[in-house]
Amino acid sequence: IQMTQSPSSLSASVGDRVTVSCRASQSIFTYLNWYQQKPGKAPKLLIYAASSLQSGVPSRFSGSGSGTEFTLTISSLQPEDFATYYCQQSYIMWTFGQGTKVEIK
Amino acid sequence: EVQLVESGGDLIQPGGSLRLSCSASGVIVSSNYMSWVRQAPGKGLEWVSILYSGGTIYYADSVKGRFTISRDNAKNTLFLQMDDLRAEDTAVYYCARDRIYGGNSGALDIWGQGTKVTVSS
Repeated sequence: IQMTQSPSSLSASVGDRVTVSCRASQSIFTYLNWYQQKPGKAPKLLIYAASSLQSGVPSRFSGSGSGTEFTLTISSLQPEDFATYYCQQSYIMWTFGQGTKVEIK
Repeated sequence: EVQLVESGGDLIQPGGSLRLSCSASGVIVSSNYMSWVRQAPGKGLEWVSILYSGGTIYYADSVKGRFTISRDNAKNTLFLQMDDLRAEDTAVYYCARDRIYGGNSGALDIWGQGTKVTVSS
């Protein structure tokens, strides 16, 4: 299963609403997870099962979608949110998207 | 404290072998689904292998036949034996716990800090 994220990068300002899209090459129902990675650090789980917020993750992060189309939304971008975001499917084997880098405008 | 600590990364020549270790504390390796994920320099994440609590194993096509995942229950440690290494195996290797939420599907909720493998002559 191929996972395609868009955009590959985006520039945004603190306080902006940001959305990242992830498309699967076939239906993965809701077996979709989102991770945040900062330079030199291990990834961090944000959202699992498409829309469930991982414990300890701020509520400004949310996920939606099912089947082949999924979205990660940051409702109000904070300085600590500038990072790279990855989607990952766990329906058949495990595949990551190519990543979306969120940069400061 | 829940922690995964990888070790064993090194500079190795093409065709060589290396064994990575992932020592766990606060999580029982044998009771969990445990994965290896790698990240080549400047690139994205690539899933490598998983070992189910029941013993089922899967590998990415890119490493099948060359890498072997295993665990030592007494030492609470996960391993990745890497043979016939190639330049394209150069990456930071992370171990992670796959927390299951449906069937055999889950999310990687606990990660180690990573260990660097460089394959070069």
